[in-house]
Amino acid sequence: KAGVTQTPRYLIKTRGQQVTLSCSPISGHRSVSWYQQTPGQGLQFLFEYFSETQRNKGNFPGRFSGRQFSNSRSEMNVSTLELGDSALYLCASSFLAGGNTGELFFGEGSRLTVL
Amino acid sequence: DQQVKQNSPSLSVQEGRISILNCDYTNSMFDYFLWYKKYPAEGPTFLISISSIKDKNEDGRFTVFLNKSAKHLSLHIVPSQPGDSAVYFCAASNRDDKIIFGKGTRLHILP
Repeated sequence: KAGVTQTPRYLIKTRGQQVTLSCSPISGHRSVSWYQQTPGQGLQFLFEYFSETQRNKGNFPGRFSGRQFSNSRSEMNVSTLELGDSALYLCASSFLAGGNTGELFFGEGSRLTVL
Repeated sequence: DQQVKQNSPSLSVQEGRISILNCDYTNSMFDYFLWYKKYPAEGPTFLISISSIKDKNEDGRFTVFLNKSAKHLSLHIVPSQPGDSAVYFCAASNRDDKIIFGKGTRLHILP
């Protein structure tokens, strides 16, 4: 079956702009989590959605937001971009929510560069 | 507040030898621990996990050891192969909560 699909794969924005990233989970998976990966910081948890509800949220400012649709597809939005937002944004899906199984299936990521 | 710590940013091991990757955690509520492997330009992939009720889990060349009293886990790869060169992330969670990842350890398998 198809894996987790993230679009776009690469994008360049300038400071102050906003960006929307999209994630299509594996068919049947109802949980979608978002992570930010930067050099030296590993994978930092942004938020998790399960059945259209935000279950958990990481320690990121309110400029970072997300949502999940009824078909489990998810989007994340970053407003008023800053240089420090340059990162690889990874989406992961799972059938159960949160840490119930631990096994997340990751997409290839969306690499955002802020100039 | 780094709840999951991987203190070695990189590790080099000779092909055929044992690779040992270490991870420490601070949250005693964690009850499930995982290792993920990441190649460049790919998303992380699940490798092996262990529940807090166990102290060892084995899957082929990969074994994870958990020492709850020390809040420490390790991943052993025996024997190490060239394809094992990747970044390894340690992760932890408790049920119904988010999964927290460490910063990763880059493993280089030397010929």
